[in-house]
Formats: sequence, structure tokens, C-alpha cells
Amino acid sequence: GESVGLHLPTLSVQEGDNSIINCAYSNSASDYFIWYKQESGKGPQFIIDIRSNMDKRQGQRVTVLLNKTVKHLSLQIAATQPGDSAVYFCAETGSNYKLTFGKGTLLTVNP
Amino acid sequence: EAEVAQSPRYKITEKSQAVAFWCDPISGHATLYWYRQILGQGPELLVQFQDESVVDDSQLPKDRFSAERLKGVDSTLKIQPAELGDSAMYLCASRHNTEAFFGQGTRLTVV
Repeated sequence: GESVGLHLPTLSVQEGDNSIINCAYSNSASDYFIWYKQESGKGPQFIIDIRSNMDKRQGQRVTVLLNKTVKHLSLQIAATQPGDSAVYFCAETGSNYKLTFGKGTLLTVNP
Repeated sequence: EAEVAQSPRYKITEKSQAVAFWCDPISGHATLYWYRQILGQGPELLVQFQDESVVDDSQLPKDRFSAERLKGVDSTLKIQPAELGDSAMYLCASRHNTEAFFGQGTRLTVV
């Protein structure tokens, strides 16, 4: 049967620090990348996205960086707050609209 | 604010029984996804609809799972018979252009 339990990478930060969450994607044909935040017992929530023709995009307290050469995506959260504690997933999609999720990272913010 | 509705939120069923989940996407969203998420892992795509047509069901265990979206609006995912390994969160999402919105999910426990 399926194993149960956390297999996620974890990141623990102090409140007020900056957080950087990393993701490797697999499909070089993907043209759009998204970061989602998922709190316990809830569905994923959109945070920020970036198109493949960009290498950086900024939102409110969040920045996404895309490095297509090494197929790497990162999410930077400035001045991390306790409410930012959640699991963060990157996802990729292309012209077929298939939305594929990467492995998540559990972010814990210590007060 | 429009949201994706899923029901039920929680379901406990005995193995070998049939179970069904319902999803009502955001109005006007042509693309609808069903995902399965096992605790500690990322969402895995089961089936993707474009209007009423299935565009990807390559990861759907078709011997026991079925999905339909008859009028291209709401959708039903069925499992018959349920197995212990089917215990997971089942997430529905709908998409318009670049952003996908997720429902709160149905937590299935098979006993």
C-alpha cells in the first residue's frame, strides 16, 4: 500500500527573515510556471506565476526566479511571517494545459 | 468571489464499496482537473477535461476509476470498488487562461 508520512523537504526560518524555496522542473517544453501555497487540509492556492520568456517576476513580498538553463525555479518570500507556514509547490504547464506539480517544501516560520 | 466547489469534504467508506465525488468549477472555465494527493506528496493528475472531453486520463486507474463531465460544467469522479490505497485527498481545479483555481478537496478514507 501507499506509505504515509511526510517526505517533504523542510525549511525552517525565523519570523522576519527571508525564505528561499527551490524547485527543479523536468519538461523543457513547459512555457509557464506557477507557485502554489497549501495549508493543512486545504487546496493549493495560487501565489505567483512566471512565463518561460522571463527570468524574474515580483509580487507583494514574493519573487519568482526562473533559470531555464538548469531548469530551476525559486520562490523568495521577504520578511517571512507565521502565516506563511505551509507547503509550497511549484507547477509547470504548457500548450496542452496539463498542469504538473513538483515535490513540495514544508516551510515553518518560528516566532 | 467565485470558487471551485467540491463535495463531500470528507468521506469514509469501506473497501470494495463505491464512492463518488462532485466538483462544480468556476463558471466559464473550460478546463477542469481531478488530482489525487497522498499525505506528504504533491498532487498527481488523474484526469483533465476540456469542456466535456477528456484530454488526458493517462494516470487514471481505469479498472476502478471513472470521471465524467457530461455538459462541460460540473464533474463527477467515481471509484468502484474502493481499495485501502485509495485513501487520499481528491482535488478538483478549474482553469481559465493561465491561472488554475483549486477547491478545498474531498478527504477519502477507505477502511
